[in-house]
Amino acid sequence: AQSVTQLDSHVSVSEGTPVLLRCNYSSSYSPSLFWYVQHPNKGLQLLLKYTSAATLVKGINGFEAEFKKSETSFHLTKPSAHMSDAAEYFCVVSVMGGGGNKLTFGTGTQLKVEL
Amino acid sequence: KAGVTQTPRYLIKTRGQQVTLSCSPISGHRSVSWYQQTPGQGLQFLFEYFSETQRNKGNFPGRFSGRQFSNSRSEMNVSTLELGDSALYLCASSLPTRAISTEAFFGQGTRLTVV
Repeated sequence: AQSVTQLDSHVSVSEGTPVLLRCNYSSSYSPSLFWYVQHPNKGLQLLLKYTSAATLVKGINGFEAEFKKSETSFHLTKPSAHMSDAAEYFCVVSVMGGGGNKLTFGTGTQLKVEL
Repeated sequence: KAGVTQTPRYLIKTRGQQVTLSCSPISGHRSVSWYQQTPGQGLQFLFEYFSETQRNKGNFPGRFSGRQFSNSRSEMNVSTLELGDSALYLCASSLPTRAISTEAFFGQGTRLTVV
């Protein structure tokens, strides 16, 4: 069975400093991995995805993530945080089952950005 | 291109009642999935429909059901509502492919409150 573990439930950074949100995955096969962001009272927006191509994936709003098979990690980073980045972030693994599209979510990391 | 549309945005129901939520996927997307989001359990997969057939199902009781119409619109029904069904229900649509790299696009959700 596939699963993801987000290592931090809350992360607090100052505006202009780097962001690191950690995610480890477990998968029997080569996984597809995603990061989604959710702003308060909003749906989920895709930040980036890994699909067995380049291991360094660039997403929207300056975010990127690196797939490290040896460490089973897919950490999300951003060089410089902005106030608008404050939100909840979910690491997600795609599970194949019946040819369908089932996503398994991590428990989320709440990112706080302070002045 | 219109995104995923969920209606209604907010609902208040009484215990024991039933409720129907609606989801219109992105044009051309034939896969629709439903997720329940609660503070305690996080995001959990309910089921996925593709071409009017349920293709995947999560671990929810039979009170939770869904269907998909020929135009790919989907409805989710919850019967005999319980207080614990209070949640944000999210719908996601994706392209019809067996590739595990398919990302899902989410609606803004329906906030269901059971009193």
